[in-house]
Amino acid sequence: AQTVTQSQPEMSVQEAETVTLSCTYDTSESDYYLFWYKQPPSRQMILVIRQEAYKQQNATENRFSVNFQKAAKSFSLKISDSQLGDAAMYFCAYRSALTGTASKLTFGTGTRLQVTL
Amino acid sequence: NAGVTQTPKFRVLKTGQSMTLLCAQDMNHEYMYWYRQDPGMGLRLIHYSVGEGTTAKGEVPDGYNVSRLKKQNFLLGLESAAPSQTSVYFCASSLLPVSGSFNEQFFGPGTRLTVL
Repeated sequence: AQTVTQSQPEMSVQEAETVTLSCTYDTSESDYYLFWYKQPPSRQMILVIRQEAYKQQNATENRFSVNFQKAAKSFSLKISDSQLGDAAMYFCAYRSALTGTASKLTFGTGTRLQVTL
Repeated sequence: NAGVTQTPKFRVLKTGQSMTLLCAQDMNHEYMYWYRQDPGMGLRLIHYSVGEGTTAKGEVPDGYNVSRLKKQNFLLGLESAAPSQTSVYFCASSLLPVSGSFNEQFFGPGTRLTVL
């Protein structure tokens, strides 16, 4: 079974600065997908960014980018030019690419990000 | 499109009471999921469904039952609620996977359930 580990329960960043959230995972599979979800105080789960394991190029979405290190099984999220609206819980998630797995997600325990003035 | 909706948004139960949580999606998704979120534990899969009339157990299925009688609806039932089932419950849905596609899950707004 796959596991996802987020070792930073809480992080803090000043507005306009850059912060990196860590995520590691354990799998024996070679093909899979990785996701970062944001959960603001409203509780709504919002997809931030996603990465295919067979693509070496790191995904980027505006101020959000990932550092995907397949050999190290690491998938960190970098938030540049942090804004107050980035304050939220961030979850890393794994999905197998194998057929018959029903596209189930395995989540990490989350990192709470605070953004200060 | 409303996306994924959940009913109710909040509920307080007494130990031993039963209730059903309703999830509805209007995106014609085949797959649907129920998760629970507890502090420090992330989201854990309770049950899921890969199509109308089919359901399967996830990581933490004990104490819950589900039904998928219609493609757009996925019901989560608690027959005899226990304080350990106090949690936030999320429903999600996704399309049938296509090779090379992310097949991302879309989440509902969550239901906060307290069992006294």
